[in-house]
Amino acid sequence: NAGVTQTPKFRVLKTGQSMTLLCAQDMNHEYMYWYRQDPGMGLRLIHYSVGEGTTAKGEVPDGYNVSRLKKQNFLLGLESAAPSQTSVYFCASSYPLPGAFGETQYFGPGTRLLVL
Amino acid sequence: GQQVMQIPQYQHVQEGEDFTTYCNSSTTLSNIQWYKQRPGGHPVFLIQLVKSGEVKKQKRLTFQFGEAKKNSSLHITATQTTDVGTYFCAGGGNTDKLIFGTGTRLQVFP
Repeated sequence: NAGVTQTPKFRVLKTGQSMTLLCAQDMNHEYMYWYRQDPGMGLRLIHYSVGEGTTAKGEVPDGYNVSRLKKQNFLLGLESAAPSQTSVYFCASSYPLPGAFGETQYFGPGTRLLVL
Repeated sequence: GQQVMQIPQYQHVQEGEDFTTYCNSSTTLSNIQWYKQRPGGHPVFLIQLVKSGEVKKQKRLTFQFGEAKKNSSLHITATQTTDVGTYFCAGGGNTDKLIFGTGTRLQVFP
């Protein structure tokens, strides 16, 4: 099992460019999440998905879009990158138990994005 | 909205000293989870607490969940250099999301 993988590991963009970050998991998890991590800010939820074909906004969704066309993949898109989007992006997945909330999340290795 | 605060933000200790980080939620939680992130790494799950007043131990780590299920603590006894990293608490409410605390960065000097 590879667990949660993220592509690419590192990327440099110019302001206004677009890109897509790919997250893949092979654990058959229903739930997937995208976070950004900035110094002193902890992990902030961007968007998440509770199943194939579904997406929902998190705490900081502006400037990002997501898609979950396949259960194992969760894509994060930046349509027009801004320097404020320089960050480390983590994808996570979890398997919800019936009647339970907030199950253990498994994180990918992260994507470091620099927007100039 | 729900907020989860952690203190302290940073802690520097000498190897062998104890360390404690505290987590406080603005709302009652269904569960609290703790994660560790090594420098340059990604968060890794440590433990989950569900019951009011619950205490769990993992070797030198002791985790507590408050009686009101709004606060939690992580205590490390006799720190080692391998304990270096950022420790996050994450609160589960009645939604599909976890709310992560701001983290406590631990530095251990040999």
